[in-house]
Amino acid sequence: GQQVMQIPQYQHVQEGEDFTTYCNSSTTLSNIQWYKQRPGGHPVFLIQLVKSGEVKKQKRLTFQFGEAKKNSSLHITATQTTDVGTYFCAALSYNQGGKLIFGQGTELSVKP
Amino acid sequence: GAGVSQSPSNKVTEKGKDVELRCDPISGHTALYWYRQSLGQGLEFLIYFQGNSAPDKSGLPSDRFSAERTGGSVSTLTIQRTQQEDSAVYLCASSLLAGVSDTQYFGPGTRLTVL
Repeated sequence: GQQVMQIPQYQHVQEGEDFTTYCNSSTTLSNIQWYKQRPGGHPVFLIQLVKSGEVKKQKRLTFQFGEAKKNSSLHITATQTTDVGTYFCAALSYNQGGKLIFGQGTELSVKP
Repeated sequence: GAGVSQSPSNKVTEKGKDVELRCDPISGHTALYWYRQSLGQGLEFLIYFQGNSAPDKSGLPSDRFSAERTGGSVSTLTIQRTQQEDSAVYLCASSLLAGVSDTQYFGPGTRLTVL
């Protein structure tokens, strides 16, 4: 079935540094969603991208959807300790009954 | 309700016992998912219910795991003859419509510890 690969698995940064996580698929995606899971918490929806080449921003977070709709990225500018957590991408799988397929997640730690 | 609720929040059981985990999705949500998350790991898909369709059970790790969704609402995940490797957080999520660009809302999870 469809798989969504996410890298890196872990990222440790100094507060103020930038951070990027990437999500890749071998097949064209209809859309992609991003979730954040704080330590000890549950995943919370951040954003959805639908259009080819789409870019959306939420304060210091920038989300991109590739032109071919096969990859996506989440970039955080000037990380803060509140950004700590695991970031997951997720994509809809039409050939698996509309199931949402999650990437493995990128765990971000930020040193103050 | 206001969100997805799960019970119990914590469950400690002895190896070999059966456990039942409950999920109450957001009212009106047609799609319901169960995931398992081991410490520091990603989301492992277990099972997916969509309306009245047959559930997608492709993620269940063994025949000790089963789930049902009664009346298209509440779901229970049952683990029979629990093993220590079953220890994890079990997350439930629901969405209004599946097969559409729709947000998943997660419950707080049930932390299962098998001694």
